[in-house]
Amino acid sequence: QSVLTQPPSVSEAPRQRVTISCSGSSSNIGNNAVNWYQQLPGKAPKLLIYYDDLLPSGVSDRFSGSKSGTSASLAISGLQSEDEADYYCAAWDDRLNGVVFGGGTKLTVL
Amino acid sequence: QVQLQESGPGLVKPSETLSLTCTVSGGSVSSGSYYWSWIRQPPGKGLEWIGYIYYSGSTNYNPSLKSRVTISVDTSKNQFSLKLSSVTAADTAVYYCARDITMVQGVIINNWFDPWGQGTLVTVSS
Repeated sequence: QSVLTQPPSVSEAPRQRVTISCSGSSSNIGNNAVNWYQQLPGKAPKLLIYYDDLLPSGVSDRFSGSKSGTSASLAISGLQSEDEADYYCAAWDDRLNGVVFGGGTKLTVL
Repeated sequence: QVQLQESGPGLVKPSETLSLTCTVSGGSVSSGSYYWSWIRQPPGKGLEWIGYIYYSGSTNYNPSLKSRVTISVDTSKNQFSLKLSSVTAADTAVYYCARDITMVQGVIINNWFDPWGQGTLVTVSS
């Protein structure tokens, strides 16, 4: 059971927009920043969004992040087949004094 | 461009100690700007943060693993290492090392992992 809650899977058609939610509590998302990672099949995770809504250099602006209260969201617009991957949210947890991850969401592009 | 590479045995017997090393290239573990973390992923499951180390030797571990984990740093070799004792089959996972950027603004803490090593599968089995 992960500290941060994500839907196990989402799916959408190419060129459409999809959002992935990440729900936490006041000790993590409610008080600290959220980061998102993309894990392509068989690969190591890669930083996708940091500090709630910032894009690292080289990441497509089709990806965006947002946060409100104790929840965060990752949005992907103009879906492409290469976006099929597992997506993880993460945040610092003040109560555990460490990093917590969501359980991951598998994105399928129909 | 910083790159990280994990190395170590791919098979460990139950009750023994898992030992892995992460070699950093293109950057220095002695940089005061970063922490250095270990993260693992059991087959078919999600990510779990194990802990981090600062170049000074200061560490912080996941409470669920704290009694069995030791992370150390060797600045002369530009490496940091993980030891996990008394392993069981539940410790079978892909183990990743990563550069950990931690920023504190007042009471807000943010740390993110970038980049990651490619990962190494460690199987616990007799």
